[in-house]
Amino acid sequence: DIQLTQSPSSLSASVGDTITITCRASQTIDIYLNWYQQKPGKAPKLLIYAASNLQTGVPSRFSGSGSGTDFTLTIRSLQREDLATYHCQQTYSTPWAFGQGTKVEIK
Amino acid sequence: EVQLVESGGGIVQPGGSLRLSCAASGFTFNRHWMHWVRQAPGKGLMWVSRINTDGTRTTYADSVKDRLTVSRDNAKNTLYLEMTNVRADDTAVYYCARDGLTVRAFDSWGQGTLVTVSS
Repeated sequence: DIQLTQSPSSLSASVGDTITITCRASQTIDIYLNWYQQKPGKAPKLLIYAASNLQTGVPSRFSGSGSGTDFTLTIRSLQREDLATYHCQQTYSTPWAFGQGTKVEIK
Repeated sequence: EVQLVESGGGIVQPGGSLRLSCAASGFTFNRHWMHWVRQAPGKGLMWVSRINTDGTRTTYADSVKDRLTVSRDNAKNTLYLEMTNVRADDTAVYYCARDGLTVRAFDSWGQGTLVTVSS
């Protein structure tokens, strides 16, 4: 089974900062990597699919990149409403594993 | 508007059974593969199972195989998860999620239903 490792597990940043979250796969997954945002007490929401494609309605300050085994989610000009846990997910092969999540806090 | 509404969660004893439902609306249900994902308290997301559009193909995570069964009724626009012989580590919020038509990602999620396995 493919394993996903996210780093860091948590981070604290200020409004206006740029932050980067990484997701590393245990084997190549081409571009089959998605990113989800989960606000406290809520269901996850799709942000980025196929590594770099912004889901409809998601602000352009969110972006994704990578292929193969290494991927990044970047949030530019961090806003207070970005307080959430961010999860990566591979859909290259079942079981469609998720990373362990990265909790983003606002200073 | 796409809506997925789970129901059926609650407290169940170890070894017991429970059926979760996910009522879909606002889209053509029978065109989408569907998934169940769970999240134990304070933990990350875990993919549980998936089912194809007509219900003839299913896939499961190893940890739930032979105990959880996914099914669907396209006439009722409803997805199900039958849980049997439940264990303490099945305690979680269970989400149903829609597979995108053109993207291999979960583009809509329900609000989740909590299953607690406890004696």
